[in-house]
Amino acid sequence: GESVGLHLPTLSVQEGDNSIINCAYSNSASDYFIWYKQESGKGPQFIIDIRSNMDKRQGQRVTVLLNKTVKHLSLQIAATQPGDSAVYFCAENRTGRRALTFGSGTRLQVQP
Amino acid sequence: GAGVSQSPSNKVTEKGKDVELRCDPISGHTALYWYRQSLGQGLEFLIYFQGNSAPDKSGLPSDRFSAERTGGSVSTLTIQRTQQEDSAVYLCASSPGVAGRDTQYFGPGTRLTVL
Repeated sequence: GESVGLHLPTLSVQEGDNSIINCAYSNSASDYFIWYKQESGKGPQFIIDIRSNMDKRQGQRVTVLLNKTVKHLSLQIAATQPGDSAVYFCAENRTGRRALTFGSGTRLQVQP
Repeated sequence: GAGVSQSPSNKVTEKGKDVELRCDPISGHTALYWYRQSLGQGLEFLIYFQGNSAPDKSGLPSDRFSAERTGGSVSTLTIQRTQQEDSAVYLCASSPGVAGRDTQYFGPGTRLTVL
């Protein structure tokens, strides 16, 4: 069946290092991808999105890379800060489908 | 501007009771979604509203779950005869345009605990 999955449940990095969070998806029809950040006790917060006609998109300190050939998505966070500690979810959608499909999440822990 | 708001933030109820959860979407957003998040899990789609169209109820887990959206704005998710497995965080999201193709903005959620 279709799925959106994450390679690592927990990622621990040192403050100031770059973080890379990975996500795999199985449906080749997926054409819209979003990364969300969820802090404890809060709802998911939009970080960045990318459509399938792109392979890279940059935001403030974040970059999303999309490799449609291997159905892989990654979120790169530059100069990781303690405030980046949270659970990160990737989500996907495709034309004609209304709801997002979320992965199970990766917990990012930033060590001071 | 104001984001998506939900109430109550926490709800503790006894098994068998009915509960109502409320969502106020961002003003002007035509699409509204309900999701459920169990502890340590991703988000499970429940129901979706888009304008005046019939809602997509394909994610509702049982007929004990229902939702309505009045006047194209506020939405209420109702769970009848609650069970312990209904315990979760219920998240509401809204988006400005075409379903699934626009960024969804989430509220803080309602944490439901069924004893």
